[in-house]
Amino acid sequence: AQTVTQSQPEMSVQEAETVTLSCTYDTSESNYYLFWYKQPPSRQMILVIRQEAYKQQNATENRFSVNFQKAAKSFSLKISDSQLGDTAMYFCAFPFRHFGNEKLTFGTGTRLTIIP
Amino acid sequence: DVKVTQSSRYLVKRTGEKVFLECVQDMDHENMFWYRQDPGLGLRLIYFSYDVKMKEKGDIPEGYSVSREKKERFSLILESASTNQTSMYLCASSLGGWNYEQYFGPGTRLTVT
Repeated sequence: AQTVTQSQPEMSVQEAETVTLSCTYDTSESNYYLFWYKQPPSRQMILVIRQEAYKQQNATENRFSVNFQKAAKSFSLKISDSQLGDTAMYFCAFPFRHFGNEKLTFGTGTRLTIIP
Repeated sequence: DVKVTQSSRYLVKRTGEKVFLECVQDMDHENMFWYRQDPGLGLRLIYFSYDVKMKEKGDIPEGYSVSREKKERFSLILESASTNQTSMYLCASSLGGWNYEQYFGPGTRLTVT
């Protein structure tokens, strides 16, 4: 069974600093996608970034980037120049295929607080 | 923009009541999902549907049922609400396929007293 582990329940950093959130997963698949989602306080969950496993290059979206280590099954999210609006719960997620359709397995989340 | 809406942001029900949570998406997505979110447990899949009138059990289906009569609407039903079903419920939708992101609704915080 696929499992997704986020070992940091809470983190806090000063505004403008860089922070890295960790995620590890377990799978026997060879090609897959990985996702980081963000859930701001009292707001909807949104996709932050997506990584395709067969791509060597780490995905980047503005201040957000990933460090994908396929052999280690590690998928961490780096937020550079953190801003107050980055305060949120962050979930990593792994799609599990079920008869050709995907369902996501989520980690337990990291609550990130950006301190002014 | 994809929009996923849920019928209520907050709901308070009594033990034993039948509860309906409605979810509507406006982007003709094939797949729809119901999750519950609890502190320290992340999101856990209750049920999902990949087509009209089709449904599949997720990881925690006990005590819940679902209905998908139209492509855009996916309902979660608590036949007889219990206090351990007090939680945040999130609906999501996606295009078919394993590489597409899920779009989430705002959530319904259900309290069962």
